[in-house]
Amino acid sequence: DIQMTQSPSSLSASVGDRVTITCRASQSIKTYLSWYQQKPGKAPKLLIYAASSLQSGVPSRFSGSGSGTDFTLTITNIQPEDFASYYCQQSYGVLYGFGQGTKLEIK
Amino acid sequence: EVQLVESGGGLVQPGGSLRLSCAASGFTFSSNWMHWVRQGPGKGLEWVSRISNDGSATYYADSVKGRITISRDNAKNTVHLQMNSLRVEDTAIYYCAREGGRGYPLDYWGQGTLVTVSS
Repeated sequence: DIQMTQSPSSLSASVGDRVTITCRASQSIKTYLSWYQQKPGKAPKLLIYAASSLQSGVPSRFSGSGSGTDFTLTITNIQPEDFASYYCQQSYGVLYGFGQGTKLEIK
Repeated sequence: EVQLVESGGGLVQPGGSLRLSCAASGFTFSSNWMHWVRQGPGKGLEWVSRISNDGSATYYADSVKGRITISRDNAKNTVHLQMNSLRVEDTAIYYCAREGGRGYPLDYWGQGTLVTVSS
């Protein structure tokens, strides 16, 4: 099975900051990598697919990059509504898998 | 508008069974693979299972293999999750999700249904 390792598990930031979350796969997954945002009590929401493609309706301050085993999610000019948990997920194997998650908190 | 609505959650004793359902609307259901993802209390997302658009292929996480069965009824636009031999650690919110788009992400999610396994 493909293992996804996400870091950091939590980070603090202020409105207007730029943050980067990383995700590493245990083997190459090409660009079969998605990022999700989840707010408390809500279902996850797709932000980025195919490693770097922005889902329709998602603000352009969110961006993704990477291929193979190393990926990043970057949020520039953080807004109050961005404080949430973020998860990476691979869809390369027949068994999908998520990273452990990153909780973005207000500093 | 794509909608996924889960039902069937509840309280069940360890060793018991439960059948979850997910009713889909707003898209051609028979064209998409479907997934179940769960989230234990205070925990991260855990992928559980997926089923092909025609129901001929199914896959399961190791943690549930042999105890859980995914199925679908394309005539009724519904996907099910039959859960047997339930354990305390199966307690979670169970989400139904649609697989769609380039790279096969989970592009639409239901609101989830809570399963509590406790004596």
